[in-house]
Amino acid sequence: DTAVSQTPKYLVTQMGNDKSIKCEQNLGHDTMYWYKQDSKKFLKIMFSYNNKELIINETVPNRFSPKSPDKAHLNLHINSLELGDSAVYFCASRLTESGANVLTFGAGSRLTVL
Amino acid sequence: DAKTTQPPSMDCAEGRAANLPCNHSTISGNEYVYWYRQIHSQGPQYIIHGLKNNETNEMASLIITEDRKSSTLILPHATLRDTAVYYCIVRAIFGANSKLTFGKGITLSVRP
Repeated sequence: DTAVSQTPKYLVTQMGNDKSIKCEQNLGHDTMYWYKQDSKKFLKIMFSYNNKELIINETVPNRFSPKSPDKAHLNLHINSLELGDSAVYFCASRLTESGANVLTFGAGSRLTVL
Repeated sequence: DAKTTQPPSMDCAEGRAANLPCNHSTISGNEYVYWYRQIHSQGPQYIIHGLKNNETNEMASLIITEDRKSSTLILPHATLRDTAVYYCIVRAIFGANSKLTFGKGITLSVRP
């Protein structure tokens, strides 16, 4: 009964490949996020969706394309992977109407680009 | 958002209270203080938040000074599993476009 689940947990791939990370939440939340945590452990927000609509789009290369088929799912597709994309990607969700910035995070997806 | 300042690290003995400080001297009247933590190799976890009154839940207590320029997160009986990076974040309550920004946090090491 995991609240926010991400797949895969680990992903090792070659430069230039295209890969996707999937996220699903069963909390009934309406806003979902992608965060990136690099090797220096800084957590940076990348995107957020509210009811399938893109709300936040930080300065992220166009190679990153989020997709939200419904408010319970937010996937992240990355084209032409580069070495610098190696990081842990965290999905999170929140119930907007609560007002509070209480996010529930997934366990993370560790991407290694060789 | 108001900036927060936390010491880089601290430690405490298992079973003792861990008091984690945070300075937010430029906090605005409508900004809340949030605490999250990240245990190694896990996703961040919400702990507690408050506006001006002290707050307590099953995980921790949050003490906010009367002028709201600083706060302390208290883990009353720290265990080894509380070893983590703790993030103090100041943020107003907004709608869907609200984003939580994480700083460097404070690394708490609980020793046996």
